Amino acid sequence: DTAVSQTPKYLVTQMGNDKSIKCEQNLGHDTMYWYKQDSKKFLKIMFSYNNKELIINETVPNRFSPKSPDKAHLNLHINSLELGDSAVYFCASSPRQKSGPRTGELFFGEGSRLTVL
Amino acid sequence: GDSVTQMEGPVTLSEEAFLTINCTYTATGYPSLFWYVQYPGEGLQLLLKATKADDKGSNKGFEATYRKETTSFHLEKGSVQVSDSAVYFCALHDAGKSTFGDGTTLTVKP
Repeated sequence: DTAVSQTPKYLVTQMGNDKSIKCEQNLGHDTMYWYKQDSKKFLKIMFSYNNKELIINETVPNRFSPKSPDKAHLNLHINSLELGDSAVYFCASSPRQKSGPRTGELFFGEGSRLTVL
Repeated sequence: GDSVTQMEGPVTLSEEAFLTINCTYTATGYPSLFWYVQYPGEGLQLLLKATKADDKGSNKGFEATYRKETTSFHLEKGSVQVSDSAVYFCALHDAGKSTFGDGTTLTVKP
């Protein structure tokens, strides 16, 4: 039933490891995003995909690599994890109006809390 | 680029008090404006939105009016409840991109 679902919800790992977070949406939206929320609750966009194509890539280290196998899925792989990568990562999706631009409304998953030790 | 500035928190109120969280924006285009709410341990969810000047968004007793002349979208509620305790984010959407404010933490005490 969940509209935007992320797995895992919690991830604890050591520095230097590689980890992935998966996201799926069943809303039929064509655009998906990854956001990072730090300990102060600041929210920052990382990537955006539209119909499997990368359209936004903010200044994110290339250790972060998103992959969208289809428009309902957007995964995030992180190589060589660092302490500063500890955060909550949110997946989101957004719809397009029937005719015209995107509505701008975002639908968020519940987040994946990554802790790097 | 676009930016959103919202009132710094945290904000602590007693139940039934009046709430205002200020939000102002700068945008190159003509954005849509949003308030999102994040309850503890959850993702953000849309609270209300407005897509053009003078539009008023409302939901669950919360209201905000799109004021183009003052580039503002202040969130108000006449009587807050303990269950309103959460982090509130003001956001704009312009040219295919969303920009968020830093969030305001609201705590309502019984």
